[in-house]
Amino acid sequence: GAVVSQHPSRVICKSGTSVKIECRSLDFQATTMFWYRQFPKQSLMLMATSNEGSKATYEQGVEKDKFLINHASLTLSTLTVTSAHPEDSSFYICSAVGVQGPKKLFFGSGTQLSVL
Amino acid sequence: AQSVTQLDSQVPVFEEAPVELRCNYSSSVSVYLFWYVQYPNQGLQLLLKYLSGSTLVKGINGFEAEFNKSQTSFHLRKPSVHISDTAEYFCAVSTSDTGRRALTFGSGTRLQVQP
Repeated sequence: GAVVSQHPSRVICKSGTSVKIECRSLDFQATTMFWYRQFPKQSLMLMATSNEGSKATYEQGVEKDKFLINHASLTLSTLTVTSAHPEDSSFYICSAVGVQGPKKLFFGSGTQLSVL
Repeated sequence: AQSVTQLDSQVPVFEEAPVELRCNYSSSVSVYLFWYVQYPNQGLQLLLKYLSGSTLVKGINGFEAEFNKSQTSFHLRKPSVHISDTAEYFCAVSTSDTGRRALTFGSGTRLQVQP
């Protein structure tokens, strides 16, 4: 079936560096991609929604200059955590939805970001 | 806006016993409902979803859920659990049939299956 690939699965970086996370829909065109953040033992919190070819819509409290989202094609969205700090350490998950809507909605496997 | 409530943060159960994980939602419009399972350090795996039709939905790994519109509930059930079912379970709701709105998640329920 359809798969959403998220890469890397785990990244450790130094404070102040930038980290890019990729989310790819492998066998369908994702008209919309979502980025979530999950702290340990907590639920998923939506960070932003991105539609192909347009600017991402960020949730309240999410810094758009810190969490850069690019959705340049129907199969790829990227989340860049700029100037990462230890408080940015979290599990980041993307999801992609095709034109069929919730019948075709899939999640990536997540990225564990640890900022030292 | 919609919201999802999972009242039980943890549910301990013995192996081969039945289990029910509760989920209630709030929405002023029609909803689509989902249950996901998350194993440690992994992403989300869809267990089942309700989009329309029969209110009893069967999913993978022997799980099923029933959509009850009058009680605004979508409880997840399994008649006999296994050790391998130990995981975090999330109930989620969407109000968009185009999928352009993100899912709203409940706080999760930790299912702990004991031998």
